[in-house]
Amino acid sequence: SAVISQKPSRDICQRGTSLTIQCQVDSQVTMMFWYRQQPGQSLTLIATANQGSEATYESGFVIDKFPISRPNLTFSTLTVSNMSPEDSSIYLCSVEGFQGQGNEQFFGPGTRLTVL
Amino acid sequence: RKEVEQDPGPFNVPEGATVAFNCTYSNSASQSFFWYRQDCRKEPKLLMSVYSSGNEDGRFTAQLNRASQYISLLIRDSKLSDSATYLCAVNIIRDSSYKLIFGSGTRLLVRP
Repeated sequence: SAVISQKPSRDICQRGTSLTIQCQVDSQVTMMFWYRQQPGQSLTLIATANQGSEATYESGFVIDKFPISRPNLTFSTLTVSNMSPEDSSIYLCSVEGFQGQGNEQFFGPGTRLTVL
Repeated sequence: RKEVEQDPGPFNVPEGATVAFNCTYSNSASQSFFWYRQDCRKEPKLLMSVYSSGNEDGRFTAQLNRASQYISLLIRDSKLSDSATYLCAVNIIRDSSYKLIFGSGTRLLVRP
């Protein structure tokens, strides 16, 4: 499977500011995904980031709040804009592998965000 | 109804016990199924893909029941190191693309 890194690993931010999270993969991948995992909850898909096109957002998530870039096949960023304490969460990127019978995803180590 | 549902547990079992988790899904068109393991403050790691015929990897066995729309994970001879949260995930097609939907996870505690 691919090696996935994220920066920063954690951050504490003031409300009203923005944070950009980077996701780097050691091989070229077509599909990259951004998830949020709030405390004690499971993973919720924010958006799918495909190279060369606009990200596709899930219901409840909008581009103005979570702009995403995907400049090439190994890199993506997620920005959490105009943060509020409700945005405190772990943000994870994932990539789609091609093992087995289809569409497994492998996750980066996550970015733990606390908004004060 | 949630698309993917799991009993949150915790399942508290002694070392050496056999434990089984179920996960139900609502979309009958779901194609791919997975079990992930998540340790505290870590990212989910793929444990097993779940194939139609069922599959086994050492002490772990995964089964798919399409008629009743559930997948299961059986852990035999539990180890202390098996303590974690187990997430099931189901791949569905939505808006012409695949999306992985996760259950809320089942917490397993293996005691000495």
